[in-house]
Amino acid sequence: DADVTQTPRNRITKTGKRIMLECSQTKGHDRMYWYRQDPGLGLQLIYYSFDVKDINKGEISDGYSVSRQAQAKFSLSLESAIPNQTALYFCATSSDSTQETQYFGPGTRLLVL
Amino acid sequence: GENVEQHPSTLSVQEGDSAVIKCTYSDSASNYFPWYKQELGKGPQLIIDIRSNVGEKKDQRIAVTLNKTAKHFSLHITETQPEDSAVYFCAATSWGWGKLQFGAGTQVVVTP
Repeated sequence: DADVTQTPRNRITKTGKRIMLECSQTKGHDRMYWYRQDPGLGLQLIYYSFDVKDINKGEISDGYSVSRQAQAKFSLSLESAIPNQTALYFCATSSDSTQETQYFGPGTRLLVL
Repeated sequence: GENVEQHPSTLSVQEGDSAVIKCTYSDSASNYFPWYKQELGKGPQLIIDIRSNVGEKKDQRIAVTLNKTAKHFSLHITETQPEDSAVYFCAATSWGWGKLQFGAGTQVVVTP
């Protein structure tokens, strides 16, 4: 099945460490997104990319960076992790034809100590 | 930009009863309103959506209604079952904008 996968699924790290969360998709979609989920705050958009050469900041991009290595791969980095970045992170994809219908990965649970 | 408010934050219903979740949006340009269901340990999944040229849409036990004048839309689940227990998110956007603005989510618990 065409799918959206995220690695790792769980990660514990220490304050100040650099970490990378990876997202891969086999759906053939051009558009990819990174979201952060905190209890009571819903899904907040961190970064999004409409194609390999297009990267855009979302509403909460401070402290994060991304890399779109290929159509199928979109990575999120925390250059120097801090405790308030502890959250659940989701990658999502959509196609140019279905646009706003987004398909989500299973999520990465991140704990920053 | 768009702001979406969702209520209630938690909803407990008896199996077989109906559940209603309401969302309001701020941007009159928004014309597409999807609903996502997130089961424990999984990512959100689209369950139903509605465009602004339609007032109501049904799919088996779920339905969505839209009131453009009042800028609110609602998800209705009838004959609730234990498998309906999940977090539900509403969202709003202007079709073609490519981004969704999500509500804060509603935890639905269906008790036997």
